[in-house]
Amino acid sequence: EIVLTQSPGTLSLSPGERATLSCRASQSVSSTHLAWYQQKPGQAPRFLIYGASSRATGIPDRFRGSGSGTDFTLTISRLEPEDFAVYYCQQSGSSSRTFGQGTKLEIK
Amino acid sequence: QVQLQESGPGLVKPSGTLSLTCAVSGVSISSSNWWSWVRQPPGRGLEWIGEVYYTGSANYNPSLKSRVTIAVDKSNNQFSLRLSSVTAADTAVYYCARLGYYYDSGTYYYSFDYWGQGTLVTVSS
Repeated sequence: EIVLTQSPGTLSLSPGERATLSCRASQSVSSTHLAWYQQKPGQAPRFLIYGASSRATGIPDRFRGSGSGTDFTLTISRLEPEDFAVYYCQQSGSSSRTFGQGTKLEIK
Repeated sequence: QVQLQESGPGLVKPSGTLSLTCAVSGVSISSSNWWSWVRQPPGRGLEWIGEVYYTGSANYNPSLKSRVTIAVDKSNNQFSLRLSSVTAADTAVYYCARLGYYYDSGTYYYSFDYWGQGTLVTVSS
C-alpha cells in the first residue's frame, strides 16, 4: 500500500499570502494518478487537481499543483477567505487507493 | 449532471452489519468508472474503503477486506456497501464517490471527481 504523508499538519496564514502544501509518497506514484481535494466543515470533499497539475473544471488558477515521483505540492498563490479548509492528496496508482492525512489551512 | 446520493440506517449496533446504498444519476453505472466508498471518522481524515466496477469486480482496502462487500446493481443504477462485525471505530461519515477518468493525448488520469454529500453512521447499542 502506498502511504501519503502530508506536511505541515496545520498551516496558519493570512488572506493574500501564498500557501505551499506538501505530499510525499512512500513509493513512486505516476503523476497521472495523483489528485488533490479541498474539504470544508460539514461538506464532502471538492475535487481540485488531477494528474498532479491539471485543475478540475471551475477551479481558480490561483490553485497550482506540481511534482512527480514521490514529492508533490499544492500551491495557492494568493489566499482568499474561502480557501481556508483542509486539503488532501490522493493516489490511484495501485488498486488500493489512499489519501494523505490532510493539511489544515487556517486563518492566522 | 452526475449526482450520487447515499442512503441507509444512521445507527447500527455493535457486532452488526452496516449497509448503505449509493444511488447514481446523470450517468450509467455501466460506464467505465470505478464506484467507491470513502469514510471519515469524526474529526479525522479520509479513508478509502473499496470500489466496484459495473462487471462486479471489486477492490478493497486491505485493512477492511475481511469485513467489506461492495456490489453493483445495474438495474437500479446504484451500488452498495456492507461492512460486517462493526465496532465503535466504524462510526464515521460514509461517502460514495466516482473514480472518474480523463483521457488526454494517450494518457488516462484518475481521480474522485463526483461525491455524495455523505451520511453519518453511528455504531452504538
